[in-house]
Amino acid sequence: NAGVTQTPKFRVLKTGQSMTLLCAQDMNHEYMYWYRQDPGMGLRLIHYSVGEGTTAKGEVPDGYNVSRLKKQNFLLGLESAAPSQTSVYFCASTVLPGTGELFFGEGSRLTVL
Amino acid sequence: DAKTTQPNSMESNEEEPVHLPCNHSTISGTDYIHWYRQLPSQGPEYVIHGLTSNVNNRMASLAIAEDRKSSTLILHRATLRDAAVYYCILRELNAGGTSYGKLTFGQGTILTVHP
Repeated sequence: NAGVTQTPKFRVLKTGQSMTLLCAQDMNHEYMYWYRQDPGMGLRLIHYSVGEGTTAKGEVPDGYNVSRLKKQNFLLGLESAAPSQTSVYFCASTVLPGTGELFFGEGSRLTVL
Repeated sequence: DAKTTQPNSMESNEEEPVHLPCNHSTISGTDYIHWYRQLPSQGPEYVIHGLTSNVNNRMASLAIAEDRKSSTLILHRATLRDAAVYYCILRELNAGGTSYGKLTFGQGTILTVHP
């Protein structure tokens, strides 16, 4: 059982480049989330999705876009990367938004030079 | 989202119990209390959650004050593997609520376990 898988795990970008982070879950969860974590900080919500074809903004959405074309996948895109987007990105999913456990991926470490 | 307050750090010795406090004085009646922990260089992992009654599972116990304005995560016998950042988080019960189940992380408590 893979759970939540994030790819890539590490990436270095130059300012202005674009990239996409992929989150895949094999638990048939409706709800998926993208968080970022900066050094010494808690996680902050970027975007989330309550089902296939839906997306919504979280706490820090600027500079990011997302898509949920398939239920099992949640993509996070950076159209023009900036050094301020250097961070560790975590994807999570859950079946019950109120009480259900969130399952997190191992994280994707992104450095923007 | 309702906020929680936790100490920045705590220390414990291996095989001793650890009590991690959390204050949530603005908690609403539909907020569940969740605890997650994050081991170094890993994603957060679920520990336990509760609404009003104390809860136990294989990892920990959760003691909830009668007025629900505070709670305590109890690790009965700390091990070196329990060294992590522990987050106390409030989640709305209803899927129709504006939170849609998302977690709002604070700074958490850094737990150090000494051999």
